Amino acid sequence: LAKTTQPISMDSYEGQEVNITCSHNNIATNDYITWYQQFPSQGPRFIIQGYKTKVTNEVASLFIPADRKSSTLSLPRVSLSDTAVYYCLGFQRNQGGKLIFGQGTELSVKP
Amino acid sequence: DGGITQSPKYLFRKEGQNVTLSCEQNLNHDAMYWYRQDPGQGLRLIYYSQIVNDFQKGDIAEGYSVSREKKESFPLTVTSAQKNPTAFYLCASSIGQGFKDYGYTFGSGTRLTVV
Repeated sequence: LAKTTQPISMDSYEGQEVNITCSHNNIATNDYITWYQQFPSQGPRFIIQGYKTKVTNEVASLFIPADRKSSTLSLPRVSLSDTAVYYCLGFQRNQGGKLIFGQGTELSVKP
Repeated sequence: DGGITQSPKYLFRKEGQNVTLSCEQNLNHDAMYWYRQDPGQGLRLIYYSQIVNDFQKGDIAEGYSVSREKKESFPLTVTSAQKNPTAFYLCASSIGQGFKDYGYTFGSGTRLTVV
């Protein structure tokens, strides 16, 4: 499973775009890059998943360059409620893949 | 609504006691997982089960036991052999092996405190 590296923490202000970059140099060919969001005392929640190029949903965008050694989660116009820990993981879709969580990035959004 | 239910939300245990954490899902998912989270840390995998009547150890299985007698249920027992059981425990499920699986659905967690 891919080992991922993310910044420990980030600060932002309401209304700004936030980009969280994740490094995954040894990602496997069949790994999908998956991001989760976790609020205090709650279980993580799936945000977005992609294999390469760009994926966008109602919550975020995910940019994955051609070499797939990194990925960037983009949160447009964050609000105070986006304050959470964000995890980047490699996930093997068709193999009942185990999710291995790193420490994640603690995002703090200020007024 | 489909989802995962963990109970209780808070649990207190005396040293030397075994306690069982409940996890039930009505998503018809084949695979279920137990994670432990300590303050300021990521999640660590305790046990997982890909199918009924079968389960595998994760990275920190010592001091824990599980059973998977029904598809919808995956209880976790924290035994007295677990030296530092105070933590936040999370249960998750996924569609399972061989399916186009986007990821896990997590429960809301059980906070266990040893008193």
